[in-house]
Amino acid sequence: DTGVSQDPRHKITKRGQNVTFRCDPISEHNRLYWYRQTLGQGPEFLTYFQNEAQLEKSRLLSDRFSAERPKGSFSTLEIQRTEQGDSAMYLCASSLSGRGPGETQYFGPGTRLLVL
Amino acid sequence: DAKTTQPTSMDCAEGRAANLPCNHSTISGNEYVYWYRQIHSQGPQYIIHGLKNNETNEMASLIITEDRKSSTLILPHATLRDTAVYYCIVRPYNTDKLIFGTGTRLQVFP
Repeated sequence: DTGVSQDPRHKITKRGQNVTFRCDPISEHNRLYWYRQTLGQGPEFLTYFQNEAQLEKSRLLSDRFSAERPKGSFSTLEIQRTEQGDSAMYLCASSLSGRGPGETQYFGPGTRLLVL
Repeated sequence: DAKTTQPTSMDCAEGRAANLPCNHSTISGNEYVYWYRQIHSQGPQYIIHGLKNNETNEMASLIITEDRKSSTLILPHATLRDTAVYYCIVRPYNTDKLIFGTGTRLQVFP
């Protein structure tokens, strides 16, 4: 399977702990996106990278959240001092830039986080 | 950003065509219409997108009205596996992010 992969698929943690999620995009894709989805809502944009550069961050991305893509391939999303409100599905998507608004994002299966 | 309006839920009999409407009356001339779907507990799946002309692929057809203020996603022969939440998204030209609404929950029944 050459699609977007995410690890872990599920994570349960206690409030105050730090968690880190990984996303591996489709191999030739240079853009990588993170979204968050809470129950009953559509996904909400968090941030995105083009190669290793982080080009946009949502206001949803508080200072407890940090995302990296050090070599322009996989990306990590870390949440420090987790809160119960961080419980959500964290989705990663990738795309190939240069195709304008017709560029298509392909999503991974997501990481479901539960903060107790 | 152009807003989209979709019905909250729809039903469709297996084997029949499912027609999912979307209103986007404030769409600009260079904004694309995208459709994604999300089957329970999975990531969103790309279906189709278009600008002005009608589009068809192996999954669905997209019909965009001439004034571009609305569109319809057509699943020609719905199956039980098409049960999902369907999102209609208008993508601004100057942004790379997708802005999802709450979508239409399509239930296909036997």
